[in-house]
Amino acid sequence: GAGVSQTPSNKVTEKGKYVELRCDPISGHTALYWYRQSLGQGPEFLIYFQGTGAADDSGLPNDRFFAVRPEGSVSTLKIQRTERGDSAVYLCASSGSLGTYNEQFFGPGTRLTVL
Amino acid sequence: DQQVKQNSPSLSVQEGRISILNCDYTNSMFDYFLWYKKYPAEGPTFLISISSIKDKNEDGRFTVFLNKSAKHLSLHIVPSQPGDSAVYFCAASGSGGSNYKLTFGKGTLLTVNP
Repeated sequence: GAGVSQTPSNKVTEKGKYVELRCDPISGHTALYWYRQSLGQGPEFLIYFQGTGAADDSGLPNDRFFAVRPEGSVSTLKIQRTERGDSAVYLCASSGSLGTYNEQFFGPGTRLTVL
Repeated sequence: DQQVKQNSPSLSVQEGRISILNCDYTNSMFDYFLWYKKYPAEGPTFLISISSIKDKNEDGRFTVFLNKSAKHLSLHIVPSQPGDSAVYFCAASGSGGSNYKLTFGKGTLLTVNP
């Protein structure tokens, strides 16, 4: 079966531009997560969706970052006025049931480079 | 401040020998621990996990040990195979309402030499 997919795989943009990163979770998974992995670091939690709503967005670094999941499936991470420090691999993950420890299945990530 | 620490950035072992990857944590609210494996240009894939009510969990060649009093866990791979060469991340999550949020270490690059 299909795993988590993310597009684009690579994105190069200029400082100040707006970018959108897309995540297609595993079909039927209700939970969706975004993480950011900077060079030499482990993934860092950004936001968690349960269905259509953002249950926890405490990891978003500032108000330039926003994510949506309007129909409870595909999610888009949006970054406004990009800065060089936003350069990282953005990972999306999804998991099944609610309220239990569940394996999070990760996509391959989108490598964002801000010049 | 890193709540999950993997102090060895890299480890090299010979094929057939044991690989031991270590992880320390500082947050006493963590009660579930996971190991993920990551190949280049791929997302992390789940390997094995352990709940804080246990001190050992085994799955084939992979065993995770948890020492709660020392806030330390380790992943043992035996025998190691060249295909095990990857970055290994230790991750932890809390209980109840925060059990979805994984906190990762920086990772350890394991190289298994034929």
